[in-house]
Amino acid sequence: KQEVTQIPAALSVPEGENLVLNCSFTDSAIYNLQWFRQDPGKGLTSLLLIQSSQREQTSGRLNASLDKSSGRSTLYIAASQPGDSATYLCAVRSNSGGSNYKLTFGKGTLLTVNP
Amino acid sequence: GAVVSQHPSRVICKSGTSVKIECRSLDFQATTMFWYRQFPKQSLMLMATSNEGSKATYEQGVEKDKFLINHASLTLSTLTVTSAHPEDSSFYICSATRDSYSGANVLTFGAGSRLTVL
Repeated sequence: KQEVTQIPAALSVPEGENLVLNCSFTDSAIYNLQWFRQDPGKGLTSLLLIQSSQREQTSGRLNASLDKSSGRSTLYIAASQPGDSATYLCAVRSNSGGSNYKLTFGKGTLLTVNP
Repeated sequence: GAVVSQHPSRVICKSGTSVKIECRSLDFQATTMFWYRQFPKQSLMLMATSNEGSKATYEQGVEKDKFLINHASLTLSTLTVTSAHPEDSSFYICSATRDSYSGANVLTFGAGSRLTVL
């Protein structure tokens, strides 16, 4: 059974700082890994999707890496801004049979960027 | 881009009543929709997978008679929480995809529905 862990559970940084969020998963047989952002009481916004054959993806100030063999992914946020404050969720799509789209989520990292 | 709408965004009901939550894909046909539940400070947990025109597939531990899912059209799936109890209070989120077997699928999530059972 796939398990996804995110560290730290919460992070508070001053504006402008670069930061790294961590995600680990127990079963390396994944199809892809996705990072989401969730604002309080809201749905999920997809940030980056990394296919299992890829090592990283970049979008603006965000860079996500994937090391499938070690079961790890990181989300790097450069020059953080108060608007980046949200919960960041990591989810993996397993490569096993059955439901093709089953995602296993971590509990998230609550990021607060202080002005 | 793909948009998924959920309604209502918030609902408060009395214990023992039933509540229906709608999930609509606004600009695409969703062959598959997913329902998740999220308790405070917890992960999103998949409840069931809903395919248009067929019965939903429920995850282990989810009571199918309590959480009724209907996916009658390619743009609408509904989740009905029957005989709701306070422990059913949670944040329910749906997601949808247009492709059944696309390798590069991207799921689009709704904004979620906050259910509070008194």
